[in-house]
Amino acid sequence: EIVLTQSPATLSLSPGERATLSCRASQSVSSYLAWYQQKPGQAPRLLIYDASNRATGIPARFSGSGSGTDFTLTISSLEPEDFAVYYCQQRSNWPPVYTFGQGTKLEIK
Amino acid sequence: EVQLVESGGGLVQPGGSLRLSCAASGFTFSSYDMHWVRQATGKGLEWVSAIGTAGDTYYPGSVKGRFTISRENAKNSLYLQMNSLRAGDTAVYYCARDGILGGFDPWGQGTLVTVSS
Repeated sequence: EIVLTQSPATLSLSPGERATLSCRASQSVSSYLAWYQQKPGQAPRLLIYDASNRATGIPARFSGSGSGTDFTLTISSLEPEDFAVYYCQQRSNWPPVYTFGQGTKLEIK
Repeated sequence: EVQLVESGGGLVQPGGSLRLSCAASGFTFSSYDMHWVRQATGKGLEWVSAIGTAGDTYYPGSVKGRFTISRENAKNSLYLQMNSLRAGDTAVYYCARDGILGGFDPWGQGTLVTVSS
């Protein structure tokens, strides 16, 4: 089973700063790497799919990159509404098994 | 508007059963793979099951043999039959549509399942 490890566990930044969140896989994964944002009391929201493609309606300040075992979610300039928990997700090829990272909490400094 | 609404959660004793439902609207339900994902309070996300458009099903080892995912396209509905429930199954259960291009999008608001005596 592929394990996804996100770092850091908590990231403390101020509005306007750049956020860089990491997701590392225990073995090479396909391009199926997604990122989600979750705010308290809400369901997760898809931000990025296939490692680098923004989902519909997601602002351009969110970008994804990476391949193989190392992936990054970057928020270029933090807005107040961006402070939340972020999860990465991958899918094994066959049979399809989906796993999530443990999450990174992005908090206001 | 694409919408997913879960129902059926509640309190159940260990060893008991529960059936969750997810009502879909705003899209052609039969054309999409669907998923269940759960989240224990204060914890991360755990994928629970998937069903393809042809009715093929997939589970992680933690629920295989205890949970059954199904769909009824005529009713635009997704189900999760949960048997032999344990305290560790306590969580909010979300249904989610497969994003086709990748990811799960959107998600429902979730329904809480509590397994306790």
